Amino acid sequence: AQSVTQLGSHVSVSEGALVLLRCNYSSSVPPYLFWYVQYPNQGLQLLLKYTSAATLVKGINGFEAEFKKSETSFHLTKPSAHMSDAAEYFCAVSLTGGGNKLTFGTGTQLKVEL
Amino acid sequence: GAVVSQHPSRVICKSGTSVKIECRSLDFQATTMFWYRQFPKQSLMLMATSNEGSKATYEQGVEKDKFLINHASLTLSTLTVTSAHPEDSSFYICSARDPTDTQYFGPGTRLTVL
Repeated sequence: AQSVTQLGSHVSVSEGALVLLRCNYSSSVPPYLFWYVQYPNQGLQLLLKYTSAATLVKGINGFEAEFKKSETSFHLTKPSAHMSDAAEYFCAVSLTGGGNKLTFGTGTQLKVEL
Repeated sequence: GAVVSQHPSRVICKSGTSVKIECRSLDFQATTMFWYRQFPKQSLMLMATSNEGSKATYEQGVEKDKFLINHASLTLSTLTVTSAHPEDSSFYICSARDPTDTQYFGPGTRLTVL
């Protein structure tokens, strides 16, 4: 079985500041890991995914995440927050690739302040 | 990226009636689609996996007779909520798996049962 824990249901940063959203996973086999973003009343958009290639994964909108097996973590970062980054972010894990069953974390609401 | 649509985006119905939600992959064929349910301020919970031409696979605790899924073509899956009750009110999101094994999500359907 696999699971994902997102620490911090709400994160607030100033515009231009570093964004750090935390995700830890539990998996019995090498996992596939994903970050999705959801804007109000919309579906999910894939930001990036880790599929056992490079441990540092770059995604869209300037986001990146680093897979750290020793820490079972896949934290999402962005060097400089923009107002448009305000949204809900979900970390997800799959045992067999992104096209199969995804288990989502509880989400982190990112607020960006002036 | 690929586009997945859902119709309707919002629906309000009376208790005891049935509601059908459509999920379409607009620019790719999807042999597999997924249906998720999202409660307010919570994560997505997988309800079922829809496979074209065969019966859907339901997650534990999901009533298959209440949530009827039909995947009649490579671009269309439907979810019918039968005899809806207020507790079925939720945000329903579908996703479709493309040939590169990536899931693309629809914009969601807000169901309100009065």
